[in-house]
Amino acid sequence: DVKVTQSSRYLVKRTGEKVFLECVQDMDHENMFWYRQDPGLGLRLIYFSYDVKMKEKGDIPEGYSVSREKKERFSLILESASTNQTSMYLCASSGFGTSGSTTRQYFGPGTRLTVL
Amino acid sequence: AQSVTQPDIHITVSEGASLELRCNYSYGATPYLFWYVQSPGQGLQLLLKYFSGDTLVQGIKGFEAEFKRSQSSFNLRKPSVHWSDAAEYFCAVGAHRLDGYNKLIFGAGTRLAVHP
Repeated sequence: DVKVTQSSRYLVKRTGEKVFLECVQDMDHENMFWYRQDPGLGLRLIYFSYDVKMKEKGDIPEGYSVSREKKERFSLILESASTNQTSMYLCASSGFGTSGSTTRQYFGPGTRLTVL
Repeated sequence: AQSVTQPDIHITVSEGASLELRCNYSYGATPYLFWYVQSPGQGLQLLLKYFSGDTLVQGIKGFEAEFKRSQSSFNLRKPSVHWSDAAEYFCAVGAHRLDGYNKLIFGAGTRLAVHP
């Protein structure tokens, strides 16, 4: 069974802290994604990575960075957390190619981050 | 630009009633279309997908969706709703790039409540 795991389900941090959110997939997928989910706004893409050490900005990259040192692991970093980054963060992965099956994304359970 | 619109933010139905969730998309080519469901506090689970062929697709949990190219729609239906269907539903279109790095564009979601 395919699996995407995220390091924490719930996280509480203070303003100004550096925050790491980790995501691991076991499907040997090339593409990995970080989304932010807020009520009424759906899922917004923060960053995605299409290979080790390769990344591309999504729609809302400001205040975030990412790291992909190994194919199975994709980290989201909040360099200096702020209260407006309180949100649900979802990680996803997909395969490489232009078919529908490789466009499908598999999601982790999410991390609910609260910044005080 | 690609976009997905889910016109209904909240829908409430009675258990046993039929359900239709609307989704309209904007995409220049033949779309890959998806419906995902998110139960409270969980990640996203794929309900069904359309890549090509028969425009009526069947999914899990008794859901189906119909692709109508002329209306740019991909509405989700279920003939008889169960209390366990209460969740948030997301429609997405696959923005597939020729370089194989595919992304999904999500709608804002429809939250479904089910009355007993």
